[in-house]
Amino acid sequence: NAGVTQTPKFRVLKTGQSMTLLCAQDMNHEYMYWYRQDPGMGLRLIHYSVGEGTTAKGEVPDGYNVSRLKKQNFLLGLESAAPSQTSVYFCASSSYGVDEQFFGPGTRLTVL
Amino acid sequence: AQSVTQLDSQVPVFEEAPVELRCNYSSSVSVYLFWYVQYPNQGLQLLLKYLSGSTLVESINGFEAEFNKSQTSFHLRKPSVHISDTAEYFCAVSEANAGGTSYGKLTFGQGTILTVHP
Repeated sequence: NAGVTQTPKFRVLKTGQSMTLLCAQDMNHEYMYWYRQDPGMGLRLIHYSVGEGTTAKGEVPDGYNVSRLKKQNFLLGLESAAPSQTSVYFCASSSYGVDEQFFGPGTRLTVL
Repeated sequence: AQSVTQLDSQVPVFEEAPVELRCNYSSSVSVYLFWYVQYPNQGLQLLLKYLSGSTLVESINGFEAEFNKSQTSFHLRKPSVHISDTAEYFCAVSEANAGGTSYGKLTFGQGTILTVHP
């Protein structure tokens, strides 16, 4: 099993460009999450999903959109990238809410 | 809203010494508590968790944490550290919904970098 995979691993964008980050899990997990990690701030929840076709806002959702059309995939979109969105993005999944969250390897995004 | 404070941003120790990484939280409802570890250039891995029952929880590699409800703390301890324990450690909480369920919306502390010196 690959666990949780993220595509791409690195990306550099110019201000105003758009992109989509893909998260895939092969553990048949119901719950999926997107976090961003910034130095000295820990991880902050952007959006999450409790099942196929559902999404909900986390702590820092502004500037991001998500979709969960298939149970195994959770997409994070940036419609118009800003330098403040420079960060490392982590996807995670779990079988239910209080269970262990399994994290992907991360995507390092730089917005110039 | 819940919040988590990790009181030390960096903790340097020598190999085989004991270590304590401190974590305090605040919440108006019941919480579930977690410690995650992040090795360089990797994602996070669960170290241990407290959901209910015994307030002392242990990991398979010798770490333990104690839930103290009165002090709203969940400090992480290890009696003797190894070089391989060098990593960043994150304390996290998620709030319980009515009925004891949770959406797993984790709130993380700022992280503590543990560096073990030979």
